[in-house]
Amino acid sequence: DGGITQSPKYLFRKEGQNVTLSCEQNLNHDAMYWYRQDPGQGLRLIYYSQIVNDFQKGDIAEGYSVSREKKESFPLTVTSAQKNPTAFYLCATDRGSTEAFFGQGTRLTVV
Amino acid sequence: GQQLNQSPQSMFIQEGEDVSMNCTSSSIFNTWLWYKQDPGEGPVLLIALYKAGELTSNGRLTAQFGTTRKDSFLNISASIPSDVGIYFCAGVTNSGYALNFGKGTSLLVTP
Repeated sequence: DGGITQSPKYLFRKEGQNVTLSCEQNLNHDAMYWYRQDPGQGLRLIYYSQIVNDFQKGDIAEGYSVSREKKESFPLTVTSAQKNPTAFYLCATDRGSTEAFFGQGTRLTVV
Repeated sequence: GQQLNQSPQSMFIQEGEDVSMNCTSSSIFNTWLWYKQDPGEGPVLLIALYKAGELTSNGRLTAQFGTTRKDSFLNISASIPSDVGIYFCAGVTNSGYALNFGKGTSLLVTP
């Protein structure tokens, strides 16, 4: 089945911990993105990658880190430096046409 | 990223009514996209627009790329309960790469 898989669907983090959100795709798309969604807000871009081993900061990159070692994978680490990490995180891909396709999302909660 | 102004913020309508929502920007966009998001899920692409003045339909949905390239409209005809969700506009500017999103229109449909 082709698609974008995000895991886990729900994640709980203690304050001061780093956590990593997984995003895997088998669509053979070059570009991958991470967005953050807060209630009543639109999607805000955290990081994006247009090609393997290259990525760029989005509008709200502080407190986050990414890697792109494989075309299929674009994990996002939420570090302890992110002061308000509770949010819904969405991974997306596109094949260069700007029509982004989204995963099911990961809801991160700080406890 | 560029800020998109999406309105209305929410709509509460009866089944069978038509719905209109719009999105404006202070910048010129090359692409306008409309997405629908169900609770706890990732957004799903409804319609993509690539040319000023373009009018595109997808079933009961019709969207238009404004002639000024700074706005877009989405209409839903004869609404049904499964139309419930949040509708987002998104676009890409001349100089941009990743999608910029509006804050969404929350649609509630009563039987």
